[in-house]
Amino acid sequence: DVKVTQSSRYLVKRTGEKVFLECVQDMDHENMFWYRQDPGLGLRLIYFSYDVKMKEKGDIPEGYSVSREKKERFSLILESASTNQTSMYLCASTGREKLFFGSGTQLSVL
Amino acid sequence: AQSVTQPDIHITVSEGASLELRCNYSYGATPYLFWYVQSPGQGLQLLLKYFSGDTLVQGIKGFEAEFKRSQSSFNLRKPSVHWSDAAEYFCAVGPSTAGNTPLVFGKGTRLSVIA
Repeated sequence: DVKVTQSSRYLVKRTGEKVFLECVQDMDHENMFWYRQDPGLGLRLIYFSYDVKMKEKGDIPEGYSVSREKKERFSLILESASTNQTSMYLCASTGREKLFFGSGTQLSVL
Repeated sequence: AQSVTQPDIHITVSEGASLELRCNYSYGATPYLFWYVQSPGQGLQLLLKYFSGDTLVQGIKGFEAEFKRSQSSFNLRKPSVHWSDAAEYFCAVGPSTAGNTPLVFGKGTRLSVIA
């Protein structure tokens, strides 16, 4: 079975900290995505990448950056965390015919 | 621009009753359509997908969905709901599964099941 693994299930950080959310997929997928999920807002796309070292902004990239140095790993970076970035973060990769999602990282910024 | 509307934020049904979750999309070309389910504390799992052909598609866990081009809809149905179906359901649309254009998701419908 395809696995998309997010390194942390729960994370608590302080305002102003630099935060790294890691995502690894084991199926040699080209495309990887970071979504943010908030109650009543559904899933909103932050960034995506369709190849190593390539990245594209999604709908809400402000305050975030990403890194894709290796095909299997796609990192989301919060340069200076703020309380409005408290959210569930979901990573996904595209395989044949569907998106595969990780279990998510619930980030709390205090 | 492509968009997905799920008109119902929250639905409550009795166990054993039938279920229909609505999804309307706006898309300029032939869409690829998906339904995902998210159980509490979990990631999203694909229930079913429509690419072409038969407009009634069967998915996992006894779910089905019907694509109606004239109504721009892709409603999800289940004839008899089980308590374990309580979850959040997301409809999504896209141009393809492996292209460089990401899927667009609706805001979700939360399903509660009562005894």
